[in-house]
Amino acid sequence: GAVVSQHPSRVICKSGTSVKIECRSLDFQATTMFWYRQFPKQSLMLMATSNEGSKATYEQGVEKDKFLINHASLTLSTLTVTSAHPEDSSFYICSARDPHYGYTFGSGTRLTVV
Amino acid sequence: QKEVEQNSGPLSVPEGAIASLNCTYSDRGSQSFFWYRQYSGKSPELIMSIYSNGDKEDGRFTAQLNKASQYVSLLIRDSQPSDSATYLCAVLDGTSYGKLTFGQGTILTVHP
Repeated sequence: GAVVSQHPSRVICKSGTSVKIECRSLDFQATTMFWYRQFPKQSLMLMATSNEGSKATYEQGVEKDKFLINHASLTLSTLTVTSAHPEDSSFYICSARDPHYGYTFGSGTRLTVV
Repeated sequence: QKEVEQNSGPLSVPEGAIASLNCTYSDRGSQSFFWYRQYSGKSPELIMSIYSNGDKEDGRFTAQLNKASQYVSLLIRDSQPSDSATYLCAVLDGTSYGKLTFGQGTILTVHP
């Protein structure tokens, strides 16, 4: 099946620093990738839709200057959390739409801001 | 706002029983529906997808879709303790970018 690789799986950073999360489609090309955030005991909330070669589309209430998305190639999208604060601590998950299996998720990144 | 609602749970069933998970959605234009399983601390994994009215079976899992009632369900037969997880219903909207909207999830516990 389709594989989406997400790194890092876990990161701890100091408040005020920036963190970059990578999402790669390993065996297919993904013109569109999705970034989700999941707080404990809650469902996945879509943050933004990442489009190769164009600007990301952010969901209402998501700060685009804080959560920078770059979809530089057909296999790579990155999410950078800028000036992270403790309230940004969450589980971040990317997803890509592959042609055969539908939506495949990365393994997720547990971000802890201290 | 497009909404996806799941039965609140948590749901507890004995090993070997049938677990029934339900989901309703608000967007009548939705065409594709998915059930994901998520273990604690892990990302969701796809169990079933369904696109047409009726039943779709895959092993111990059966998805049921009724577009007129805007209802989709998942039945798990012969439930096993390893089925204990959060089950997420997801609905694909009709836009060109195809965003998934997730329900809040139902926690299923299968006890021996």
